[in-house]
Amino acid sequence: AQTVTQSQPEMSVQEAETVTLSCTYDTSESDYYLFWYKQPPSRQMILVIRQEAYKQQNATENRFSVNFQKAAKSFSLKISDSQLGDAAMYFCAYRSVDEVQGAQKLVFGQGTRLTINP
Amino acid sequence: ETGVTQSPTHLIKTRGQQVTLRCSSQSGHNTVSWYQQALGQGPQFIFQYYREEENGRGNFPPRFSGLQFPNYSSELNVNALELDDSALYLCASSLLWGRTEAFFGQGTRLTVV
Repeated sequence: AQTVTQSQPEMSVQEAETVTLSCTYDTSESDYYLFWYKQPPSRQMILVIRQEAYKQQNATENRFSVNFQKAAKSFSLKISDSQLGDAAMYFCAYRSVDEVQGAQKLVFGQGTRLTINP
Repeated sequence: ETGVTQSPTHLIKTRGQQVTLRCSSQSGHNTVSWYQQALGQGPQFIFQYYREEENGRGNFPPRFSGLQFPNYSSELNVNALELDDSALYLCASSLLWGRTEAFFGQGTRLTVV
């Protein structure tokens, strides 16, 4: 079974600084997707960035980028120029596919609470 | 806005009762998944419905059941509520087999007393 581990329960950063959130996962599959989701106090999960395992190039979305190390099964999120609106819970997630029934499910880590200090 | 809406936003029920939570998926999405998120935890997969049939289930007992309708609406039903069922319930819609992400609703906060 796939597992996702986020070892940092809480992180804080000064506004405008850069912060990196860590995530490791375990899988025997060769093709899969990895995601970072943001969950603000409004509770809605918002997709931040997506990485396809077969792509060697690290995904980038504006101030957000990932460091995807497939061999090490590591998928960290870097937030540059942190803004107050970035404060939220961040979840790393792995998308697995049930080979028998075909269901696609997300396996989430425990989350990292990110605080932005003004 | 993700185009996925859930109702109600909050709900309080008594142990032993039954509850129905509702979700309206994004138009065109043929798949809906439900997740349970306990306080301070990551979401846990309950089950997924594809074209009105359950096509995958996580480690949840049969008293958790669901329905998916052709009009992109769906329901999560929980019978014989237990205190441990208190959680945020999230639905997510997506396209099966598509290389797309899941879009989440804002969740229903269920409290069982």
